[in-house]
Amino acid sequence: EVQLVESGGGLVKPGGSLRLSCAASGFTFSSYSMNWVRQAPGKGLEWVSSIDYSSTYIYYGESVKGRFTISRDNAQNSVHLQMNSLRAEDTAVYYCARVSSGGLPDWFDYWGQGTLVSVSS
Amino acid sequence: EIVLTQSPATLSLSPGERATLSCRASQSVSRYLGWYQQKPGQAPRLLIYDASNRATGIPARFSGSGSGTDFTLTISSLEPEDFAVYYCQQRYNWPLTFGGGTKVEIK
Repeated sequence: EVQLVESGGGLVKPGGSLRLSCAASGFTFSSYSMNWVRQAPGKGLEWVSSIDYSSTYIYYGESVKGRFTISRDNAQNSVHLQMNSLRAEDTAVYYCARVSSGGLPDWFDYWGQGTLVSVSS
Repeated sequence: EIVLTQSPATLSLSPGERATLSCRASQSVSRYLGWYQQKPGQAPRLLIYDASNRATGIPARFSGSGSGTDFTLTISSLEPEDFAVYYCQQRYNWPLTFGGGTKVEIK
């Protein structure tokens, strides 16, 4: 069974940093591209970042480019999102999502349950 | 950036009725359009990919159609568990974008 479990969310002050992690199991992690998608409270979905299976191709949404960094550790079956210079508008539930292949872009076929990031003074 | 506009924002229907949801793209996305369902407190779930292909385990009452800029998600006969928010998403180019969502609520 495919499982994605996010961790690392919490309350942080504007300008602060946070590192999210997503632990994957139930599939050959090193064969699939991974993503982060967020959802502000009561709002819709926003794609944040994608990384292909080998970390060769990495993409970011405009709103986080230059502040967030996605990475993966295929030996540890995990993907991470380093978030710096956080703003109030980054407040959201952050979902880790697998795509249905090793390539990008592709469809988000499995999602974690999300981790809440709150940016407030 | 490709903007996806979903309509209506809210659809009020009764169980057993047919639901028709629309997603319009600001430019052609060919058939690279997908649909997700999200229930309160849950992560989204992939329903339809490449405009008309059902994802694994998705019931046949869900169907997708369209190409280019106009797409439709149809639920042929609403079951109680289908009342949720539905999002479309394009993977034609970067950045990946989602529509604003359509809430299907019980009338």
